[in-house]
Amino acid sequence: DVKVTQSSRYLVKRTGEKVFLECVQDMDHENMFWYRQDPGLGLRLIYFSYDVKMKEKGDIPEGYSVSREKKERFSLILESASTNQTSMYLCASRGQTNYGYTFGSGTRLTVV
Amino acid sequence: KNEVEQSPQNLTAQEGEFITINCSYSVGISALHWLQQHPGGGIVSLFMLSSGKKKHGRLIATINIQEKHSSLHITASHPRDSAVYICAVAPGNQFYFGTGTSLTVIP
Repeated sequence: DVKVTQSSRYLVKRTGEKVFLECVQDMDHENMFWYRQDPGLGLRLIYFSYDVKMKEKGDIPEGYSVSREKKERFSLILESASTNQTSMYLCASRGQTNYGYTFGSGTRLTVV
Repeated sequence: KNEVEQSPQNLTAQEGEFITINCSYSVGISALHWLQQHPGGGIVSLFMLSSGKKKHGRLIATINIQEKHSSLHITASHPRDSAVYICAVAPGNQFYFGTGTSLTVIP
């Protein structure tokens, strides 16, 4: 059973902390994505990566960075967490075709 | 920018009712996806469409490429169908998502 695994379901962090959200996929997919989901706004793309060490900004990259050192792992980094980054974060991966777009189960992050 | 519009935003139905959720999009696409998200967060893919109609159990998805419109139908709805349903389109490598339709099916 193919999987995208996010390391935490729930996280609570303090303002100013550096936060790492981890995502691992076992499908050998080239493309990986980080989204945040907020009520009324839907899913918004933060960053994506189409290959190891490659990254592209999405629609809302400010305050975030990413790392993809290995094909299976895509990390989202909040350099200095702020309360407006409280949200649900979803990781997804996809192969080179339009098939097989798979989501992780999400990380609900609360910044206090 | 709203490349994908869904309606309705919220929907409450009695168990057994026939349900329709609509999705309109403004970009040229190679595929459209219907996704389901239960409370707690995880998203699963229900359908991927590039033309015509697909059926899986009580769920039916249709797409009209010329009109840039898709519908998701649920026949004989059940409380376990309560979830957020999201339409997503893929003009290329990225996806654009609708804001979702929150469905509640009452026993």
